[in-house]
Amino acid sequence: EVQLVESGGGLVQPGGSLRLSCAASGFTFSSYEMNWVRQAPGKGLEWVSYISSSGSTIYYADSVKGRFTISRDNAKNSLYLQMNSLRAEDTAVYYCARGGLDTATDYWGQGTLVTVSS
Amino acid sequence: QPVLTQPPSASASLGASVTLTCTLSSGYSNYKVDWYQQRPGKGPRFVMRVGTGGIVGSKGDGIPDRFSVLGSGLNRYLTIKNIQEEDESDYHCGADHGSGSNFVLVFGGGTKLTVL
Repeated sequence: EVQLVESGGGLVQPGGSLRLSCAASGFTFSSYEMNWVRQAPGKGLEWVSYISSSGSTIYYADSVKGRFTISRDNAKNSLYLQMNSLRAEDTAVYYCARGGLDTATDYWGQGTLVTVSS
Repeated sequence: QPVLTQPPSASASLGASVTLTCTLSSGYSNYKVDWYQQRPGKGPRFVMRVGTGGIVGSKGDGIPDRFSVLGSGLNRYLTIKNIQEEDESDYHCGADHGSGSNFVLVFGGGTKLTVL
């Protein structure tokens, strides 16, 4: 059974940092592209970042470029999102999701809530 | 990159059928779209992928036969037959867009399905 489990969310002050993790199981993690997608309270889905299976190719949404860093550790079956210079508008549930170019985004985690507030 | 448009709400009676629509912006008629179901307080659940030829690949885990898709022109449809209370959810559509130098996932605004 494919499972994606996010962790690391919480309350942080504006300008602060958080590191999210996503633990993958039930599939060969190193063979799959991965993404972070977020959903602000009561809003729709917003793509945040993409990483290729090897980690060599990375893309970001303009809204987080220069502040967020995606990475992965294939030996640990884990995906990460380092979030710096956090703003109130980054408040959202963050999901890790498996998928990539011309490939269905077919598995999602349950999400972890990030709240940026003073 | 494409823009995906969904009506914000839909409703159907228990046991009836409903068709949800996701419309791609002009110029993207060959794009495939993924449908997701999101129950309150839960993460999105992949339903299936659809192109102009219909379903692409397999349905998501545990998706019943009552769910089907069609694609025509710029529209991608998700039909749910014999609607059950458990089908009351937000339904999102999404598409990947990219080439060798960029990638993005785009999503529609979601349709809230109410079961009457």
